[in-house]
Amino acid sequence: GAVVSQHPSWVICKSGTSVKIECRSLDFQATTMFWYRQFPKQSLMLMATSNEGSKATYEQGVEKDKFLINHASLTLSTLTVTSAHPEDSSFYICSASVRNYGYTFGSGTRLTVV
Amino acid sequence: QKEVEQNSGPLSVPEGAIASLNCTYSDRVSQSFFWYRQYSGKSPELIMSIYSNGDKEDGRFTAQLNKASQYVSLLIRDSQPSDSATYLCAVFMDSNYQLIWGAGTKLIIKP
Repeated sequence: GAVVSQHPSWVICKSGTSVKIECRSLDFQATTMFWYRQFPKQSLMLMATSNEGSKATYEQGVEKDKFLINHASLTLSTLTVTSAHPEDSSFYICSASVRNYGYTFGSGTRLTVV
Repeated sequence: QKEVEQNSGPLSVPEGAIASLNCTYSDRVSQSFFWYRQYSGKSPELIMSIYSNGDKEDGRFTAQLNKASQYVSLLIRDSQPSDSATYLCAVFMDSNYQLIWGAGTKLIIKP
């Protein structure tokens, strides 16, 4: 149980375009979804916390107008990287807190901006 | 001082031996501690969670927590090449309700 489905697994896009990443909780309701970014050989860095039906809370230094997060339902949260640039190339991972279990992660999205 | 610290490694252990991974944390009131395994290019997967002082065993894995000394460790017995991965320590900070991640320790099991 406690599965989060994330897609796409990888995406290559041109600089200046936008990319949407989806995370769905398959067998539980995720009232809170966490979005992380991980650069090579570095730890997970929390970008933002999204709560169903309300605005996301962004960490310091993360541009909310560039990384749009929508959590419209208890089973779906999306991250849209707008006007992507090569420096946005990274591994993006969503995570949800599951009671008595800990945190479960999506499979991650490898974004490459060319 | 970082909130959660791990030795980045790599830690090289012969197959069949015990691998010992350590993590220290700064928030004295933290109550929840997690060990995750992450293969290259993959998302982290939960290995163990521990909430009380002492040892918690699950198969070949043992988590150890010492709140007085503010460290948590993970022991892997009978190490296998498939255990080669980066192991991330995560601590839930009760002070600000955030999950803080260590940078991870890269473990290499040599056949």
